[in-house]
Amino acid sequence: KQEVTQIPAALSVPEGENLVLNCSFTDSAIYNLQWFRQDPGKGLTSLLLIQSSQREQTSGRLNASLDKSSGRSTLYIAASQPGDSATYLCAVTYSGAGSYQLTFGKGTKLSVIP
Amino acid sequence: EAGVTQSPTHLIKTRGQQATLRCSPISGHTSVYWYQQALGLGLQFLLWYDEGEERNRGNFPPRFSGRQFPNYSSELNVNALELEDSALYLCASSLVPDRDEQFFGPGTRLTVL
Repeated sequence: KQEVTQIPAALSVPEGENLVLNCSFTDSAIYNLQWFRQDPGKGLTSLLLIQSSQREQTSGRLNASLDKSSGRSTLYIAASQPGDSATYLCAVTYSGAGSYQLTFGKGTKLSVIP
Repeated sequence: EAGVTQSPTHLIKTRGQQATLRCSPISGHTSVYWYQQALGLGLQFLLWYDEGEERNRGNFPPRFSGRQFPNYSSELNVNALELEDSALYLCASSLVPDRDEQFFGPGTRLTVL
């Protein structure tokens, strides 16, 4: 079964710290991997998309890496701020089935303490 | 440019009723995906429409159905509502399915009493 796992489930850090969120997936046959942010009761905001041929993507204070062979991705957040508090979701588009839906992890709930 | 929109924002129904949820994709996007986010279960794929056709469905019973209109907007219908259908229903759209990112709407919160 194709699954996505995110560890830890929750993380609390003081403001200003750099942090890393982890994502692993069971099958290396993927089209791409996407990181999202979700605020309570809201929809998903796309943060970064990494194609299977890419190793990393950067946007502002965010950097996402992809190691397809080991089935891992990390999201690095530099100089964290209280406004970064949210649930971060990793999602993979698995290839081979002729369908392109996202398979999601259960997320990491991040709290940045002022 | 307008993002993905969904209506209504909230919907309250009773068991056995039918619910209809609507989604308008980003202009130019032809693929629409529906996901369910139930408490404690994470995001689960429901349905994928592309160019007016249902292309794939997730592991949900047939009472979950939908369609995509010629303008690429979509509607999700849930018949014979059950208490466990209470969830946030999210719609997403994309341009090229195997390449481009999916953009999500704000969701419809369905509560079944």
